[in-house]
Amino acid sequence: EVQLLESGGGVVQPGGSLRLSCAASGFTSNLHAMSWVRQTPGKGLEWVSGLTAGGDKTYCADSVKGRFTISRDNSKSTLYLQMNSLRVEDTALYYCVKDEGPAVTGRFDPWGQGTLVTVSS
Amino acid sequence: DIQMTQSPFTLSASVGDRVTITCRASQSIHIWLAWYQHKPGKAPKLLIYRASTLQSGVPSRFSGSGSGTEFTLTISSLQPDDSATYYCQQYSGYPYTFGQGTNVEIK
Repeated sequence: EVQLLESGGGVVQPGGSLRLSCAASGFTSNLHAMSWVRQTPGKGLEWVSGLTAGGDKTYCADSVKGRFTISRDNSKSTLYLQMNSLRVEDTALYYCVKDEGPAVTGRFDPWGQGTLVTVSS
Repeated sequence: DIQMTQSPFTLSASVGDRVTITCRASQSIHIWLAWYQHKPGKAPKLLIYRASTLQSGVPSRFSGSGSGTEFTLTISSLQPDDSATYYCQQYSGYPYTFGQGTNVEIK
């Protein structure tokens, strides 16, 4: 069974940093692109960033460009999201999602349970 | 960015009813559309991809149609387990974008 387990969320002050992790199991992670998607009460679901299976290409939303960095360690089957210069509007439940193949195609299945990030002073 | 607009925002129907949710894209996305079901406290679940292809394991009462800018998700006979929020998502181009969601309630 494919499982994605996020961790690393928490409460952080504006301007602070957090690193999210997503441990993948049940599939050959180095054959699949991965993404982060977040959910906020105000804006609903928002795709944040994606990374190809080999880690050679990254994509991200304009709202996080220059602040968030997606990466992966295929030897550990783990996806990361380094979040710097956090803003109140980054407060959200962050989901790790698996893509159908090695490219970031946007067909997301499955999703993890999510990790909550709260940016507040 | 491609804007995705769903309607209705909320839908209340009885068990056995046929239910239809509409999703419109601000520009053509061909058939690059997915539908997800999201229940509180659970991970969103992929129901349909490529506008009309049913994901493995999803009940056949769910179906999708459309192309270009207009799409529909239909539940042919609503079941109690279908109470959830449903989202469409375009994956025609970056950034991938979602509709605002349709909350389906059982009367």
